[in-house]
Amino acid sequence: QSALTQPASVSGSPGQSITISCTGTSSDVGGYNYVSWYQQHPGKAPKLMIYDVHIRPSGVSNRFSGSKSGNTASLTISGLQAEDEADYYCSSFTNSRTRVFGVGTKVTVL
Amino acid sequence: QVQLQESGPGLVKPSETLSLTCAVSGGSVSTDNYYWSWIRQPPGKGLEWIGYVFYTGRTNYSPSLKSRVTISVDTSRNQFSLRLNSVTAADTAVYYCVRETAYCVGDLCSYWFDPWGQGTLVTVSS
Repeated sequence: QSALTQPASVSGSPGQSITISCTGTSSDVGGYNYVSWYQQHPGKAPKLMIYDVHIRPSGVSNRFSGSKSGNTASLTISGLQAEDEADYYCSSFTNSRTRVFGVGTKVTVL
Repeated sequence: QVQLQESGPGLVKPSETLSLTCAVSGGSVSTDNYYWSWIRQPPGKGLEWIGYVFYTGRTNYSPSLKSRVTISVDTSRNQFSLRLNSVTAADTAVYYCVRETAYCVGDLCSYWFDPWGQGTLVTVSS
């Protein structure tokens, strides 16, 4: 099972919107609406931000939103803030019932 | 709320077995809809799913690690464990224990990883 493809880095100025893509195949991202997103600050454990493609857990800012088209899922951060600077990982259920993560994207707030 | 805490040796010699335990507090491992999982992260790299155990003992492992990994659960102690044998330097990583929710109503399911333990660094070196 290959890791899902994410851009290595994405940057934006405060207040702007950015989008992180997560590309897989029909055996994972494209085949199921079970994509989740995690935020990880340096030295910390990952934090759940989105699950089932677009559902935001209680306590997560509504500036974070998720979507999917075909084999690519996306995480959008609107109204970018300094605290959003972190690494972001997508994860998907697969047709072999295993799980796979994306390679990770470093978000920089300029 | 549920909290998870990893414990185990921080240094393991090459070819030996890595063993970690995850203590679960604030909830029971003997609960439907939860898979008790291990995920690792090599220094400076991304996350890798290792596998999970259900409270019945049913397991599911990453194909790339399946030949070397065992995940087990001890319901009496409310904890679960990871064993990875024949380790090499490539197994050096922060190991996280994580609860995965797997909730299905008919054909509609939800899956997500939360909460996560704080992680423990395991270094493979002689």
